Amino acid sequence: EPEVTQTPSHQVTQMGQEVILRCVPISNHLYFYWYRQILGQKVEFLVSFYNNEISEKSEIFDDQFSVERPDGSNFTLKIRSTKLEDSAMYFCASRGLAGHNEQFFGPGTRLTVL
Amino acid sequence: SQQGEEDPQALSIQEGENATMNCSYKTSINNLQWYRQNSGRGLVHLILIRSNEREKHSGRLRVTLDTSKKSSSLLITASRAADTASYFCATLSGAGSYQLTFGKGTKLSVIP
Repeated sequence: EPEVTQTPSHQVTQMGQEVILRCVPISNHLYFYWYRQILGQKVEFLVSFYNNEISEKSEIFDDQFSVERPDGSNFTLKIRSTKLEDSAMYFCASRGLAGHNEQFFGPGTRLTVL
Repeated sequence: SQQGEEDPQALSIQEGENATMNCSYKTSINNLQWYRQNSGRGLVHLILIRSNEREKHSGRLRVTLDTSKKSSSLLITASRAADTASYFCATLSGAGSYQLTFGKGTKLSVIP
């Protein structure tokens, strides 16, 4: 069964450093998402991506964040200068073309900023 | 309350008992979805119910939706220790990219 994969599973970085979180969505999906979950809190939407551009973004997704689909398979989230409060679990998700279908989530990357 | 608020926040039951979790939301929705998350792990999609549906079943799961009350419930029958996890409802509304809005979740503990 196809699944969304994410690497790395755990990333530890120093405050101020850049990190890139990687995702491989399900191959025939067209909409891609990043969500994050701070420990003990709810899952929050960051950004959606369709047709090689950002469709929507939340207020969390400020200038420190960027997304990219560098090739036909990867979908990345870059944080330019990490802050302590960026420590969270980051989930990638994808869905097919039909508007109301379920989103398939990856296992997440746990980002720890020291 | 915020979109997708679950209650109770935590629920502890004996194996074999039924578990009921509730979710309330504020805005109109296209559909409502329930996800499970094992501790520190990813989100697993359980079931989706559309705004024009009132009840849906999947194995031991039963979901109801009352759009007049803007609420949904998830019933897990004959619970097992492996059902121990956090359960989140997520609503999808409007047009566009269809991002999900998640609630805070119910932490379910099933005691063997």
